[in-house]
Amino acid sequence: GQQVMQIPQYQHVQEGEDFTTYCNSSTTLSNIQWYKQRPGGHPVFLIQLVKSGEVKKQKRLTFQFGEAKKNSSLHITATQTTDVGTYFCAGPEEMTTDSWGKLQFGAGTQVVVTP
Amino acid sequence: EAQVTQNPRYLITVTGKKLTVTCSQNMNHEYMSWYRQDPGLGLRQIYYSMNVEVTDKGDVPEGYKVSRKEKRNFPLILESPSPNQTSLYFCASSFVSGTPGEQYFGPGTRLTVT
Repeated sequence: GQQVMQIPQYQHVQEGEDFTTYCNSSTTLSNIQWYKQRPGGHPVFLIQLVKSGEVKKQKRLTFQFGEAKKNSSLHITATQTTDVGTYFCAGPEEMTTDSWGKLQFGAGTQVVVTP
Repeated sequence: EAQVTQNPRYLITVTGKKLTVTCSQNMNHEYMSWYRQDPGLGLRQIYYSMNVEVTDKGDVPEGYKVSRKEKRNFPLILESPSPNQTSLYFCASSFVSGTPGEQYFGPGTRLTVT
């Protein structure tokens, strides 16, 4: 079945530095979604990418969807303490498969920011 | 206010005592889903429903039951809870545009089975 892997599992960042977290799926995805979960909170939707090679920006966050629609990345520039949390990627398989309604999440990248 | 509500938020129970966690959404979403979150494992999908009376297994359905009799409600039933079902549970809902879209999550239910 489909597997979604995220690396790194943990990311310690100095405030002001940049970092990237990666998401890789064993199967082609219909779309990729990114979520952020603050400590003690619930996951909150950040963005969805649908097209092959798509790039979207949200202020200091840049999201990419790979050409083969099997991987994605989230790049954060000039990290701030408000970026603390766990970032998850998730995606349903393409509609040609039997499990296209299933939504598979990666294990997440836990981000700690040092002032 | 658009929201997903879960009840109870915290529950401590004993092995074998049947329990139900309720989930309700007021956004007229077709898609609803249950996830469990355990340290280091991320969010794992238990069951999902694409619409009323349509439910399917996620990755970890063993020991759980669901039903979707109404569009807004998607209860999670543990017929005979065991300690390995101690976890943080999230309900979520979304519209469907081909495949599931942006997931709106409830606040979570922390379950402890002793």
